Amino acid sequence: GDSVTQMEGPVTLSEEAFLTINCTYTATGYPSLFWYVQYPGEGLQLLLKATKADDKGSNKGFEATYRKETTSFHLEKGSVQVSDSAVYFCALSTVTGGGNKLTFGTGTQLKVEL
Amino acid sequence: EPEVTQTPSHQVTQMGQEVILRCVPISNHLYFYWYRQILGQKVEFLVSFYNNEISEKSEIFDDQFSVERPDGSNFTLKIRSTKLEDSAMYFCASSPRQGTYEQYFGPGTRLTVT
Repeated sequence: GDSVTQMEGPVTLSEEAFLTINCTYTATGYPSLFWYVQYPGEGLQLLLKATKADDKGSNKGFEATYRKETTSFHLEKGSVQVSDSAVYFCALSTVTGGGNKLTFGTGTQLKVEL
Repeated sequence: EPEVTQTPSHQVTQMGQEVILRCVPISNHLYFYWYRQILGQKVEFLVSFYNNEISEKSEIFDDQFSVERPDGSNFTLKIRSTKLEDSAMYFCASSPRQGTYEQYFGPGTRLTVT
């Protein structure tokens, strides 16, 4: 079945540091790939997405590129802020008969300190 | 901006009791989903719903669970006889259509079974 593997956290960085959170996937067919973010006490918010190979999703300074050859979708940001502290979930979606369920990774907690 | 809402935000119930979790999806969306997140674990798919019927369900979604769209705006998840292991955060999501379209999540209902 489909699966998503993320690097384990927590990841602790100083403000303005470079961020990479690794994500690899296994899927049948051609999935769409997503990064969702969960701030403390809140629900899941879509951060960015990519729907086909070599697509780059970007939002709020975060980027991820859909790499079919390495089945990866690593999240990057050049300069993190304290406000980026949250849990980040990599997810994939494949179309089924009546919808497209999301398969999530375990989540990576990011802590950004001054 | 339209958003998915869920009520209640926190539900405490005794083992064996029935609970109904309520969601109001975004109004022009057609696909509806329930996910759950046990504390510290990954977000797991429970069920997808389209055109007034279940389109896909996971192994978790056994006979104790049911979903309904009773009035064209609400989307409910019922657990008939709660167990301790049902304690989790339950997220509702909706999507305008299937395929590459992202799902929009509600803030979640925290269910505590004692």
